[in-house]
Amino acid sequence: DTGVSQNPRHKITKRGQNVTFRCDPISEHNRLYWYRQTLGQGPEFLTYFQNEAQLEKSRLLSDRFSAERPKGSFSTLEIQRTEQGDSAMYLCASSFRSSGGTRYNEQFFGPGTRLTVL
Amino acid sequence: AQKITQTQPGMFVQEKEAVTLDCTYDTSDQSYGLFWYKQPSSGEMIFLIYQGSYDEQNATEGRYSLNFQKARKSANLVISASQLGDSAMYFCAMREFTGANNLFFGTGTRLTVIP
Repeated sequence: DTGVSQNPRHKITKRGQNVTFRCDPISEHNRLYWYRQTLGQGPEFLTYFQNEAQLEKSRLLSDRFSAERPKGSFSTLEIQRTEQGDSAMYLCASSFRSSGGTRYNEQFFGPGTRLTVL
Repeated sequence: AQKITQTQPGMFVQEKEAVTLDCTYDTSDQSYGLFWYKQPSSGEMIFLIYQGSYDEQNATEGRYSLNFQKARKSANLVISASQLGDSAMYFCAMREFTGANNLFFGTGTRLTVIP
């Protein structure tokens, strides 16, 4: 396992279509995060999972967005009825948090999925 | 209010010289962490260095060091002996340990190393 992987790397879709992205975290990591990065901006937090539980969602995550992490392994992010404003890079990150661990919890990022909505 | 502010959209540095990338942050938490990430044109965020709010010494990782001034709420990244491969976007980020576990990122600084 060499790191966080994301598929696809690029996705072009027409407005109104649904898209789904996949993230495979580092295998022993129990936390998984989704971020969105638009041009000229830093990544913005969308949601995060600890194991299979979705513990936090930002206001950016409208009802057209849904994320899952079945069995606490890989995660999927689905966007329904895509809009041009959804065009962005979607980044996934993972980290390991132990019950008695430090607060460092470095997040390792994947290469991202670049979404273009026409 | 922005939690992380990076005021330098772009910076240039001569190869082998040192450069400082500025970062200020805003939090009312006493316990937090500050991170710097590098993002080359390939898009992947690469972790560089971490500073905890209770760490008394400035963090160092190879050619990277973090100039942490807690009273001023600044966490500047210093890159020594710049290399051509250092050309990339650099993001400062913060995690508040009493809140959600996400990172708050600044808008980044594009560093260009000139041969």
